[in-house]
Amino acid sequence: GNSVTQMEGPVTLSEEAFLTINCTYTATGYPSLFWYVQYPGEGLQLLLKATKADDKGSNKGFEATYRKETTSFHLEKGSVQVSDSAVYFCALSASGGSYIPTFGRGTSLIVHP
Amino acid sequence: EAGVAQSPRYKIIEKRQSVAFWCNPISGHATLYWYQQILGQGPKLLIQFQNNGVVDDSQLPKDRFSAERLKGVDSTLKIQPAKLEDSAVYLCASSSPSGFSTDTQYFGPGTRLTVL
Repeated sequence: GNSVTQMEGPVTLSEEAFLTINCTYTATGYPSLFWYVQYPGEGLQLLLKATKADDKGSNKGFEATYRKETTSFHLEKGSVQVSDSAVYFCALSASGGSYIPTFGRGTSLIVHP
Repeated sequence: EAGVAQSPRYKIIEKRQSVAFWCNPISGHATLYWYQQILGQGPKLLIQFQNNGVVDDSQLPKDRFSAERLKGVDSTLKIQPAKLEDSAVYLCASSSPSGFSTDTQYFGPGTRLTVL
């Protein structure tokens, strides 16, 4: 079956530090890949997505590249802010027939001033 | 544009009682999802509807959970009877009419269920 593996959290950084949150996946077919973010007290919302190999999704300074050869979709940001503190979920949705969205367990990011 | 609405936001019940959650998706969204999110874990899909029909319910514990989506709009998720391990946040999401894997899901605020 499909699965998503994310790095364990929490990830604790100082403001303006570089961020990487690792995500790898297992899927049949040709999945679309997503990063969702959940800010404190809010619901999940889409951060970025990529729908085919070598696509780069980007939003709010965050980026992730769909790497089919390494089955990865790592999230990066060059300079984090305190307001980026949240839980980040990597997810996939596999194409071809019916599909089931699959989420990783989430990685908590804490950014200190 | 109004977002996905869910009610109630919080519910506390005793084990073996019944509970129902309601979801109203974004207008025009054909696909509706119910997830269970246990503390410290990612959302787990329980059931997915496309209009009135069920696309997938393979992870729905059908002996106690049921869901329906009448007229392809609102949806209700019911647990009867509840167990302690059902304590979780129940999330509803909807996506645009295409029904493809590339669709972005829009999530409601969730219902936090505590079973005592």
